[in-house]
Amino acid sequence: QLQLQESGPGLVKPSETLSLTCTVSGDSISSSSYHWGWIRQTPGKGLEWIATMYYGGSTYYNPSLKSRITVSVDTSKNQFSLKLTTVTAADTAVYYCARRDTSAFFDSWGQGILVTVSS
Amino acid sequence: DIQLTQSPSTLSASVGDRVTITCRASQSINHWLAWYQQKPGKAPKVLIYKASSLQNGVPSRFSGSGSGTEFTLTISSLQPDDFATYYCQQSNGYLTFGQGTKVEIK
Repeated sequence: QLQLQESGPGLVKPSETLSLTCTVSGDSISSSSYHWGWIRQTPGKGLEWIATMYYGGSTYYNPSLKSRITVSVDTSKNQFSLKLTTVTAADTAVYYCARRDTSAFFDSWGQGILVTVSS
Repeated sequence: DIQLTQSPSTLSASVGDRVTITCRASQSINHWLAWYQQKPGKAPKVLIYKASSLQNGVPSRFSGSGSGTEFTLTISSLQPDDFATYYCQQSNGYLTFGQGTKVEIK
């Protein structure tokens, strides 16, 4: 059974870099035709797509966040990662990792991780 | 960006009611629309994809319709487990979500 699990610090200081990792079990990132993505949720802005990536190298970013995002895949660990630089309080959110089906919807999600930006 | 507008924002209904939620796109997205259900403290769960395809394991009381700019999610007979927040999501361009519709007990 496919499972995704986010990990990373729950508290990040303003202006620093938010780093999260998603560990996938039950499917191989490098053997499937799926894409893998990050989505966040805040009470104010609701659900916001951050980025989607394919292990082969294709990446797609939300234009509003693109200048601050780096995503990567580690096939040896079956993980993918998100880095968001120069964070502010507006980046406080629950961050989800998810698998994107070929029909362009997210069919499996992690449980989510709350990241708070505060000094 | 393609904007998605859901209506209503909140819907009060009773068990057994037929419920319809609308999602309007700011430009045509063909059939590239999905619907999700989210309960407090949980991740969203996909119900419908490509506007009208029922995801495996989702009860048949859920259905989706529409194309272009107007879409609906219908719950034919609301069950206690269905009280939740529902979101639409488009994937015709950069992915965006609607603002959500909360279905609450009347």
